[in-house]
Order: sequence, then structure tokens, then C-alpha cells
Amino acid sequence: EIVLTQSPATLSLSPGERVTLSCRASQNVLTYLAWYQQKPGQAPRLLIYDASNRATGVPARFSGSGSGTDFTLTISSLEPEDFAVYFCQQRDNWPLTFGGGTKVEIK
Amino acid sequence: QLQLQESGPGLVKPSETLSLSCGVSGGSLSSSSFYWGWIRQSPGKGLEWIGSSYYSGSTYYTYDNPSLKSRVVISVDTSKTRFSLKLSSVTAADTAVYYCVRGHARGSYHMDVWGKGTTVTVSS
Repeated sequence: EIVLTQSPATLSLSPGERVTLSCRASQNVLTYLAWYQQKPGQAPRLLIYDASNRATGVPARFSGSGSGTDFTLTISSLEPEDFAVYFCQQRDNWPLTFGGGTKVEIK
Repeated sequence: QLQLQESGPGLVKPSETLSLSCGVSGGSLSSSSFYWGWIRQSPGKGLEWIGSSYYSGSTYYTYDNPSLKSRVVISVDTSKTRFSLKLSSVTAADTAVYYCVRGHARGSYHMDVWGKGTTVTVSS
């Protein structure tokens, strides 16, 4: 089973700042990685799939990169609505696994 | 636009079977391009994939949690446009928010449609 490690666990930032979130896989997952955003009391929302493709309706300030074992989600300029928890998810094969999440909070 | 809606009891007694259903509207279950699955999230915790099923009947379950795998059955009923989760012999550790999802059966197998989630508490 592939383990995804997200870092840092928490980021304290101000609106307008650039954010870089990391997701590291224990084995090569090629580009089979997705990112999700979850706000309190809501279901997760797909942001990025196949490492770098933005899902429908996702603002251009969100971008994903990486391949193999190291992946990054970047938010170019934090908006107030971006404060949330972000999860990565891999599919090299079944089972699907998620990272533990990174919380982006207001500084 | 496809929408998913979970339904089922909010309270289940220990050792009983949890049964949840996910109703699908605005689309069809009968496509090989997608799978239908269940994710859960324990209070204050991360996301745990439980399992997924194709309309053809092929199913895949987590083996990260052997205790969970041996108790889970996921099925798809294309005629009723719903799919279901049955989790037997529940304990307090199964208390969580349960989400049903649609996933793409290619690439990162990403989940693009989520239900709102239903809270299940296991308690006597």
C-alpha cells in the first residue's frame, strides 16, 4: 500500500500570500495524484487531477505539479475562501489512499 | 449535473450492520468510465477510502484496514440508480461521516462528485 505524507501539517498565512503544499508518496505513482480542498462541515472538492490538471470550475490560482514521488499544490495568491484543509490522493493501484492533510489557516 | 445523496440511519448499535444508500440524480450509473465508492472521515481525522464498485459488479475494498475490509460490501443497483454500503459488526471506531462518491476510472482515479455526507454514530 502506498503511503502519502503531506507537509507541513499546518500553515499560517495571510491573504495574498503564495502557498506551496507538499505531498510525498512512498512509491512511484507516476502522475496518478489528485488534490482536494475541504472546508469545515463540507465534503471535499476536487481541485487537481493527474497531478497538474485543474478540475472544472477551479480558479487558475490553483496549480499542481510533480511526478513520481514528489508533488506540489500551489496557490499563487491566497483568497479568503482558500483557508481550508487540503488532501492529496493517489492511485497507482487499488487501494486508493489519501494523505493526512495540510490545514491552511489565517495568520 | 450529476448529484449524489447519502441516506441511512444516523445511529447504529454496536455489533449491528450499518446500511447506507447513495441516490444518483442527473446521470447514470451504467458507464465504464466511472466507479462508485464510499469514503469516510472520523471526527477530526483525515479521509479513509472504504471501497469502490463498477456498474459491472467488480468491487475493490481497502486492505489498509483489514478489520474494515472483512466487514464491507458495496453494490451497485443500476435499475434503481443507487449504490449501497453495508458494514457489519460495527464498533465505536466506525463512527464517522460517510461520503459516497463518483470517481473517474482512469488516471488518478480522482473523485469529482461527492455527496454531502451523512454522519453515523455507533452507540448503544
